[in-house]
Amino acid sequence: KQEVTQIPAALSVPEGENLVLNCSFTDSAIYNLQWFRQDPGKGLTSLLLIQSSQREQTSGRLNASLDKSSGRSTLYIAASQPGDSATYLCAASIGGSNYKLTFGKGTLLTVNP
Amino acid sequence: NAGVMQNPRHLVRRRGQEARLRCSPMKGHSHVYWYRQLPEEGLKFMVYLQKENIIDESGMPKERFSAEFPKEGPSILRIQQVVRGDSAAYFCASSPLRAADYGYTFGSGTRLTVV
Repeated sequence: KQEVTQIPAALSVPEGENLVLNCSFTDSAIYNLQWFRQDPGKGLTSLLLIQSSQREQTSGRLNASLDKSSGRSTLYIAASQPGDSATYLCAASIGGSNYKLTFGKGTLLTVNP
Repeated sequence: NAGVMQNPRHLVRRRGQEARLRCSPMKGHSHVYWYRQLPEEGLKFMVYLQKENIIDESGMPKERFSAEFPKEGPSILRIQQVVRGDSAAYFCASSPLRAADYGYTFGSGTRLTVV
């Protein structure tokens, strides 16, 4: 069974802190991995897409890495702000599918002013 | 570019009624995917469609659920004879060509409540 696991389930940090969210997946045959942000009662906003041939992607204060051999991805958020408070979802195309995303349950991030 | 448009945003149905959820993909996107998010659970794949074709419906419950993406108009996810366990957020995503190359763009979802 293909699985994506995210730890921690919840994280609370003071404003300005750098933080790392973790994601692990069970299949090294990965096509891509995508990080999303979900605000309460809202849809998903794509943050970063990492192809299997890439090791990392950066956008502004966000940096995502991919290590296929260990089955892990991390999302690094620099200089966190209260507006970063949301649920962060990791999703991977694994298990022989290049279109079906397997999602983790997310990390609920709270950045306190 | 209006993005992926889903409607309605909220839908309330009584047990036994039908629910019809609509999704218009981003302009230029010909691939549509439906996911379901049950309370306290992660998003689960339901179905993958291209125009007039169901490519993969392995995540769809065998009964009461159906999906289509006609040549003209939005993709429709139809749930017949809804039950309380169908209450969830249903998200549609689209991609141009291969999602593996371009990733997904998601809509804002339809929140179905069955009373």
